[in-house]
Amino acid sequence: EDKVVQSPLSLVVHEGDTVTLNCSYEVTNFRSLLWYKQEKKAPTFLFMLTSSGIEKKSGRLSSILDKKELFSILNITATQTGDSAIYLCAVGENSGYALNFGKGTSLLVTP
Amino acid sequence: SAVISQKPSRDICQRGTSLTIQCQVDSQVTMMFWYRQQPGQSLTLIATANQGSEATYESGFVIDKFPISRPNLTFSTLTVSNMSPEDSSIYLCSATGLAGATDTQYFGPGTRLTVL
Repeated sequence: EDKVVQSPLSLVVHEGDTVTLNCSYEVTNFRSLLWYKQEKKAPTFLFMLTSSGIEKKSGRLSSILDKKELFSILNITATQTGDSAIYLCAVGENSGYALNFGKGTSLLVTP
Repeated sequence: SAVISQKPSRDICQRGTSLTIQCQVDSQVTMMFWYRQQPGQSLTLIATANQGSEATYESGFVIDKFPISRPNLTFSTLTVSNMSPEDSSIYLCSATGLAGATDTQYFGPGTRLTVL
């Protein structure tokens, strides 16, 4: 049973569009939720969220966590072709340092 | 964030052989981990590399198949033993404790392994 579920699994948009990626989770002792961007092999860290309702923002990317409803969203505004990647959501538990990864959302931004 | 490097970046190996992957961090870190990402799948944790002691393996992974070393705070190796085509994956190391960020895991560039 997957602890972290991402949706959609894939998405194709045009440059300039805004996208919202979803991540829901079910873990026993939540510690943190992390978003990564994976373009080739290495996931690149985007955000770490620990508190509900506090938006993290970096340029055109933003993310927010809802610990009551157990989900997070990652927003990308004014998408560019360079945003094309797999976006991974991972959840950490207080029982250890390991991360539970979702299957990712594959985003393709077309010119 | 600190730099994490892995060697080799890719390799093609024959079944039955073994490959050792190296992970080097340019500063001391608290924790180091090894993940596997099979084609079309997400990341799966293989084990936590403990400095100076045996690694802690996740369910489904055993030391005989994936021996791990971590002789100091900046270096770890993962060996994929007696390889079969099912071991074809990207292998990634990650680390926490970089620049005081105790919870954030940063990843190395990965090793793409193909087993024929």
